[in-house]
Amino acid sequence: DSGVTQTPKHLITATGQRVTLRCSPRSGDLSVYWYQQSLDQGLQFLIQYYNGEERAKGNILERFSAQQFPDLHSELNLSSLELGDSALYFCASSPRGGDPSDEQFFGPGTRLTVL
Amino acid sequence: GQQVMQIPQYQHVQEGEDFTTYCNSSTTLSNIQWYKQRPGGHPVFLIQLVKSGEVKKQKRLTFQFGEAKKNSSLHITATQTTDVGTYFCAVTGFQKLVFGTGTRLLVSP
Repeated sequence: DSGVTQTPKHLITATGQRVTLRCSPRSGDLSVYWYQQSLDQGLQFLIQYYNGEERAKGNILERFSAQQFPDLHSELNLSSLELGDSALYFCASSPRGGDPSDEQFFGPGTRLTVL
Repeated sequence: GQQVMQIPQYQHVQEGEDFTTYCNSSTTLSNIQWYKQRPGGHPVFLIQLVKSGEVKKQKRLTFQFGEAKKNSSLHITATQTTDVGTYFCAVTGFQKLVFGTGTRLLVSP
């Protein structure tokens, strides 16, 4: 158990819908990272927040957005869902200054299935 | 963007055999990390290498950073069934962690 929690574990929805994935980092960790893992694209970085501010952006679609709240939990919003958005979405947190080379602790992931 | 290739993509060994995965980058790296993901699980940090030619060991696992800091390897001696999973290298590039393509290891008893 990494100490990072993600909800829900599984999500099944239809194309065109919108979903919200939630992540709570380890106690004291200020940085939250979101990743998408699919069979054809591997593990892809989406976005990073540090202490409530967006720190870095990766291959995140415009239909996706995220935020980090004052209590440091983070939400990833996925809208106008397409079949290709089906994937595992991981959240990770790290303890220090938000450098991506810091050790990252991954949550158990949310498996999203778009039908 | 930064690309990191790992070979092989997949390897199936008998328990007790050795295993090596290689990670290659086209650019010089400041550091490299290794993660393990068990089937159905999440990535778990194993180690970070920073220095040219650095070698670190964790029990049966040996990690090496190339002299030119463009490649790295993970070697497992005498594999066990608990070593099953996908091993990823990861490098820092453009303010983000870029994961390699991964090597999936299957160990038969």
